[in-house]
Amino acid sequence: GAVVSQHPSRVICKSGTSVKIECRSLDFQATTMFWYRQFPKQSLMLMATSNEGSKATYEQGVEKDKFLINHASLTLSTLTVTSAHPEDSSFYICSARNQEGSYEQYFGPGTRLTVT
Amino acid sequence: AQSVSQHNHHVILSEAASLELGCNYSYGGTVNLFWYVQYPGQHLQLLLKYFSGDPLVKGIKGFEAEFIKSKFSFNLRKPSVQWSDTAEYFCAVSRRSSASKIIFGSGTRLSIRP
Repeated sequence: GAVVSQHPSRVICKSGTSVKIECRSLDFQATTMFWYRQFPKQSLMLMATSNEGSKATYEQGVEKDKFLINHASLTLSTLTVTSAHPEDSSFYICSARNQEGSYEQYFGPGTRLTVT
Repeated sequence: AQSVSQHNHHVILSEAASLELGCNYSYGGTVNLFWYVQYPGQHLQLLLKYFSGDPLVKGIKGFEAEFIKSKFSFNLRKPSVQWSDTAEYFCAVSRRSSASKIIFGSGTRLSIRP
């Protein structure tokens, strides 16, 4: 149980285009989802916290107009990288918490974004 | 805000050696503590977690960690490592009060010589 999937696993896009990444909780309802970014050989940096039906809370330094997050249902959150640039190339990982008050998060396999 | 420090950036050991990876956090309140592992080319996996109770936590694959509150530490240990333990290890912390976001340390790369 507690499986989180991401789609696509890899995506290559041209500079200036937008890319949408999906995060799904497959066997549980996720009231809260989190989006992380991981640069090569570095740690995971939290980008934003997404609660179903409300606006995402972004971490300091993360541009909310560039990284659009939507959490329209209890099993799906999307991250859209708008007007992507090569410096946005990274590994994007989502995680989900399965119930209010739960301390544990379940991580997706990540999406490798390459902007050319 | 809470933060996590992992002092060892890269650790190299021979097979059968004992392992201890350091982790310290900074937050005065009650915390939840985690160790995650990321094998080459794979996604993050939970090794073990501490929420409350016995401060010595046993996880998968023979790993354990000890929460020492007075030292704000949660070091990861394994008595005898294997080549397959080669991976990146991340310590992480979240505040207990709001079941909030997990903050990760910078990670420790573990290389095991066969």
